[in-house]
Amino acid sequence: DAGITQSPRYKITETGRQVTLMCHQTWSHSYMFWYRQDLGHGLRLIYYSAAADITDKGEVPDGYVVSRSKTENFPLTLESATRSQTSVYFCASSDNQGNTGELFFGEGSRLTVL
Amino acid sequence: AQSVTQLGSHVSVSEGALVLLRCNYSSSVPPYLFWYVQYPNQGLQLLLKYTTGATLVKGINGFEAEFKKSETSFHLTKPSAHMSDAAEYFCAVSRGPGNQFYFGTGTSLTVIP
Repeated sequence: DAGITQSPRYKITETGRQVTLMCHQTWSHSYMFWYRQDLGHGLRLIYYSAAADITDKGEVPDGYVVSRSKTENFPLTLESATRSQTSVYFCASSDNQGNTGELFFGEGSRLTVL
Repeated sequence: AQSVTQLGSHVSVSEGALVLLRCNYSSSVPPYLFWYVQYPNQGLQLLLKYTTGATLVKGINGFEAEFKKSETSFHLTKPSAHMSDAAEYFCAVSRGPGNQFYFGTGTSLTVIP
C-alpha cells in the first residue's frame, strides 16, 4: 500500500545547482500535481499533468520543469535553484474517474537552497 | 474564478471546547469543497468533502462541515477539541474531477490543555 511517495524527503543544495524531486504513485491516477507550501501563502500549484505526456503550468511555474513519460511518475526539476525556491514541495494525485476528484498527497520534500 | 478565504490564521481552543474554523469561497459554478488536515512534517490528508446532496457532511475524527450556499461558506466544526487535533487545516474549492484545486492559506489550530 505505497500510495504516493516523494523523494528525497529533505534536500539541501546551493544556488545555481539543478535539483530533481521525484514523485511516484501506485494508484494509476491520471492526474498529478506539484504544489509548493510557503508560510502565508498556503499551497500554490506549480505544474500539473492530466495524463502521460500532458503537462500544464499552474500558478507559479517559473524556474521549474516537469515531465511525465509514465503515468506513475511525475518528477519536478529546478534547473538552476534560487533561494526563493526554498520551500516544502508536495506531490499529489487525483483520479478523475471518481465522483469527487479529491487530491491524495505525498509526505512532502523539504528543499533548502543556500 | 475560484478562491478561498480562511478567516484566522491561528485559532486556539481549550481541550474539550468547540472547534470552529471558518472558510468562505467564491465560485462561478457549483463548488466541490474540501477540508484537509496537515500534521507536522506530514502531507495533507482529507478530513471531509462536499460534492452534492446533503449540505452537512461528516468527516474523520469527529469533524463536520456545513455547506451554506447563501453565505458561500463551508465552516469546519468539532464539538469537543482533543489535544491530537492540533494541526494545520486547509479549506479548498474545486469545480470537480479533473479541475484545479484552490487552497486557502490555512489555519493553525492550537489546543490548550
